[in-house]
Amino acid sequence: EVQLVESGGGLVQPGGSLRLSCAASGFTFSSYAMSWVRQAPGKGLDWVSAISGSGGRTYYADSVKGRFTISRDNSKNTLYLRMNSLRAEDTAVYYCAKEDTAMSGAFDIWGQGTMVIVSS
Amino acid sequence: QSVLTQPPSVSGAPGQRVTISCTGSSSNIGAGYDVHWYQQLPGRAPKLLIYVNTNRPSGVPDRFSGSKSGTSASLAISGLQAEDEADYYCQSYDSSLSGVFGTGTKVTVL
Repeated sequence: EVQLVESGGGLVQPGGSLRLSCAASGFTFSSYAMSWVRQAPGKGLDWVSAISGSGGRTYYADSVKGRFTISRDNSKNTLYLRMNSLRAEDTAVYYCAKEDTAMSGAFDIWGQGTMVIVSS
Repeated sequence: QSVLTQPPSVSGAPGQRVTISCTGSSSNIGAGYDVHWYQQLPGRAPKLLIYVNTNRPSGVPDRFSGSKSGTSASLAISGLQAEDEADYYCQSYDSSLSGVFGTGTKVTVL
């Protein structure tokens, strides 16, 4: 079964750091680009960052550039998001999503999400 | 980052047809990037509904259809059913290869 499982969310103070993980199974992880997408409480979907299958190319939303770092370990089938200098506006459910190249980059598989709360 | 604009809400009676628009610009949809659509049921992760403008993944009912023209795209739901009550999002890419989502539309079945 194709599956993505996020972990690492929690409560963190403003200015703090957190690392999210996304464990993939059921597909050849290294063959696919992956993304992080977040959703603030009661709000819409917000694309955060993406990484190529090899990890050689990364992309970031302007709102997180310089603060967040996306990475992957293809030997462990795991995607990461390192979040530094966290702000209240980063509070959201964070989803990892698999991009399907054959579907022109559509996010065909999503995890269940992990909640990040930035508050003092 | 650019944003794709959707109506906040649409509604219809069971059996009716509703459409959701997704308006972009020359830096995203109008630049030739494909549009995808997602359905998000309350409390659930989004699910891919339409990919590459018009295509349905396996298991998605043919009541759902998509189209794209110029700087816009549309999702149509025909034969509206109670289970279709959800939030719907369009998605594309922009010239910097950043992902971009629509503002989201809540579909209510009357």
